[in-house]
Amino acid sequence: GAVVSQHPSWVICKSGTSVKIECRSLDFQATTMFWYRQFPKQSLMLMATSNEGSKATYEQGVEKDKFLINHASLTLSTLTVTSAHPEDSSFYICSAKYVGQYGYTFGSGTRLTVV
Amino acid sequence: AQKITQTQPGMFVQEKEAVTLDCTYDTSDQSYGLFWYKQPSSGEMIFLIYQGSYDEQNATEGRYSLNFQKARKSANLVISASQLGDSAMYFCAMRGSLHNQGGKLIFGQGTELSVKP
Repeated sequence: GAVVSQHPSWVICKSGTSVKIECRSLDFQATTMFWYRQFPKQSLMLMATSNEGSKATYEQGVEKDKFLINHASLTLSTLTVTSAHPEDSSFYICSAKYVGQYGYTFGSGTRLTVV
Repeated sequence: AQKITQTQPGMFVQEKEAVTLDCTYDTSDQSYGLFWYKQPSSGEMIFLIYQGSYDEQNATEGRYSLNFQKARKSANLVISASQLGDSAMYFCAMRGSLHNQGGKLIFGQGTELSVKP
């Protein structure tokens, strides 16, 4: 149980275009979703927290106009990287809270390459 | 503010031997949770073990055990009988209180473990 499906697994896009990453909770209702960014061999850095039906809360230093997060339903949260640039190339991973013993489940991640 | 520190960027261990990965934390919350995750090269996050701040016993899950020393604010992961498949990045993470932190997980810098045959 408590599975989050993240798509796409990898994406290559041209500089200046936008990319949308989806995370769907398959067998539970994800009221809270966390979005992380990870550079190679580095830690997972929390970008933002989204709660269903409300605006996302962004961590300090994260551009909210560049990384648009939508959590319009209890089963879907999306991250859109707008006007992507090569420095946005990274691994993006979502994590949902659920009512369970350990409380967190992760998507499989999206490798974004901007060329 | 909460902080998680992993001071070992990389570790080597011989197959079948035990290894300890260090993790220290800092928080002003009384209620918190500590997690260890394994991240292979595929990128997925694999949950290994959890320790609650009020748990008196050290957590164990198969070959994984967590050496929880609350006064020292440390939560080291011990992997017994290392296997080649244990080679991966390992992250320590802390969940703060739901009230103050919204339940978000923050991660340490990670330790890259390499198991030698």
